[in-house]
Amino acid sequence: KNQVEQSPQSLIILEGKNCTLQCNYTVSPFSNLRWYKQDTGRGPVSLTIMTFSENTKSNGRYTATLDADTKQSSLHITASQLSDSASYICVVSALSGYALNFGKGTSLLVTP
Amino acid sequence: EPEVTQTPSHQVTQMGQEVILRCVPISNHLYFYWYRQILGQKVEFLVSFYNNEISEKSEIFDDQFSVERPDGSNFTLKIRSTKLEDSAMYFCASTLTTGFNSPLHFGNGTRLTVT
Repeated sequence: KNQVEQSPQSLIILEGKNCTLQCNYTVSPFSNLRWYKQDTGRGPVSLTIMTFSENTKSNGRYTATLDADTKQSSLHITASQLSDSASYICVVSALSGYALNFGKGTSLLVTP
Repeated sequence: EPEVTQTPSHQVTQMGQEVILRCVPISNHLYFYWYRQILGQKVEFLVSFYNNEISEKSEIFDDQFSVERPDGSNFTLKIRSTKLEDSAMYFCASTLTTGFNSPLHFGNGTRLTVT
């Protein structure tokens, strides 16, 4: 069964600090992995998309890594801001089909 | 930047009633999706739609659910006889292609409350 597991479940950091969120998946055959940011009460917004041939991708202060061999990804947030407070969701797509497999997300709170 | 819009933002209905959730995808997008998120849980795939027909659906998308693109701009999700467990946030999404680098654009969702 295709699964996406994220850790930690929640995280609190001070403004200006860095943090790293983890994602492990069992989706096969693998197509691509996406990180989304979801503000409370809003729809998810795409941060990065990576295919199996990519092992790092950046979007401003967000840097995602992918190890397709170990089926692990991370999202690193640099110099966090209060507006980074949100749920960060790892989403993995299989080669077959249109459905995306969502993780439960990591809830990040950035405090002053 | 173009965006996916959903209406209403919040819908309250009684168990057994029919509801229609509406979405206007980004105008040049070709692939459309409905997802739902029960409070505190992960986002779950319901259905994908392309070329005026369902391309894939999940186990959740049973006979009580249907989708339609009635006029070339709107994309609707109908629940025929709502149950308490249908209470969730329903997200519409669209994408231009299903290629590797095609991001999925989500609307801000409709919160459905079944009483």
